[in-house]
Amino acid sequence: GESVGLHLPTLSVQEGDNSIINCAYSNSASDYFIWYKQESGKGPQFIIDIRSNMDKRQGQRVTVLLNKTVKHLSLQIAATQPGDSAVYFCAEKLGNNDMRFGAGTRLTVKP
Amino acid sequence: GAGVSQSPSNKVTEKGKDVELRCDPISGHTALYWYRQSLGQGLEFLIYFQGNSAPDKSGLPSDRFSAERTGGSVSTLTIQRTQQEDSAVYLCASSSYDRGNNGYTFGSGTRLTVV
Repeated sequence: GESVGLHLPTLSVQEGDNSIINCAYSNSASDYFIWYKQESGKGPQFIIDIRSNMDKRQGQRVTVLLNKTVKHLSLQIAATQPGDSAVYFCAEKLGNNDMRFGAGTRLTVKP
Repeated sequence: GAGVSQSPSNKVTEKGKDVELRCDPISGHTALYWYRQSLGQGLEFLIYFQGNSAPDKSGLPSDRFSAERTGGSVSTLTIQRTQQEDSAVYLCASSSYDRGNNGYTFGSGTRLTVV
């Protein structure tokens, strides 16, 4: 079956550096993608989303890039801070169907 | 309320017992989802309610799992004859049908431990 997955399960970066978290998806018909951040003991929290008719979207310190040709999604975090340490999930959605999540990447920010 | 509320936050139960997990979505959100998250894993889709439509139950792992949503608001996920492999965090999320995008809001989950 088609699924959403992540390239790396863990990522460690130095405080102040930029972070890039990658995600591969296999359902070419998916038209909406979201990145979530999940801190320990909490539910996932929305970070940023992008629709399939876009290839880039920027938020506050975060940028999502979508490459539909290779079915790849990435989350870039600028000037990573200790508070950014969490597990990051990408998710895909097709129309009004349910949202499917990847396995997650654990980001650790070293002081 | 202001967010999605789940109860209990933690539940320890004996193998073979039935459990009920509750989700109070954001008022006015027509869509409600249940996901399961095992330790260190991603989110596994369980069931999706949208308004008065028949729920999408395609993610329920066995017939021991069931869910209902009364009055288009509160939802209860029931697990019968619990097994140790049912131990996980059960997350509920709701969203506005009209928005369907960043309207997804998650609760903090119920951590279920089957001993």
